[in-house]
Amino acid sequence: EAQVTQNPRYLITVTGKKLTVTCSQNMNHEYMSWYRQDPGLGLRQIYYSMNVEVTDKGDVPEGYKVSRKEKRNFPLILESPSPNQTSLYFCASSFGGAAYEQYFGPGTRLTVT
Amino acid sequence: GQQLNQSPQSMFIQEGEDVSMNCTSSSIFNTWLWYKQDPGEGPVLLIALYKAGELTSNGRLTAQFGITRKDSFLNISASIPSDVGIYFCAGQPRTGANNLFFGTGTRLTVIP
Repeated sequence: EAQVTQNPRYLITVTGKKLTVTCSQNMNHEYMSWYRQDPGLGLRQIYYSMNVEVTDKGDVPEGYKVSRKEKRNFPLILESPSPNQTSLYFCASSFGGAAYEQYFGPGTRLTVT
Repeated sequence: GQQLNQSPQSMFIQEGEDVSMNCTSSSIFNTWLWYKQDPGEGPVLLIALYKAGELTSNGRLTAQFGITRKDSFLNISASIPSDVGIYFCAGQPRTGANNLFFGTGTRLTVIP
């Protein structure tokens, strides 16, 4: 089954404790992206990647890192999480870029206390 | 970042009614997309628009790419209970750009 998977689905952590949210897709898509969703703000793009070793900042990249060492995986790293990064995070992938259909993962709900 | 304003923020309608929502921006976009998010799920693409003035349908859904390239509209005809969810517009600011900006969403409730 074609899908985007994210882990963990739920995470509660404390300020400053480094964490990684994994994202994997099995559709051989070149484009992958991370978004955060906050009430009243919609989805905002954090980082995106057009291919292995090619990443670029989205609208709200501060406090986040990403890497793309393999085509299928695109982890999101929070080196020192803060409470304002409490949010619902979505990973997505598409075959050709942002203007094409993006397939979204199920979401990761992160709470930073 | 780019601001995409969606209206209305929420709608309560009777089953069978038609629905209209829109998305406006102060900037020009080259692509407009409409996504729907069901409760507890990630968004799913409904319609993609690639040319100013384009009108595209997908079943009971019809979307238009505004002629000024600064707005887009989504209409749902004869609503049914499974239309419930949050509808997001999204815009790609220029051809070849790979960033994407989403609107704030329109939450639709359909009363049976």
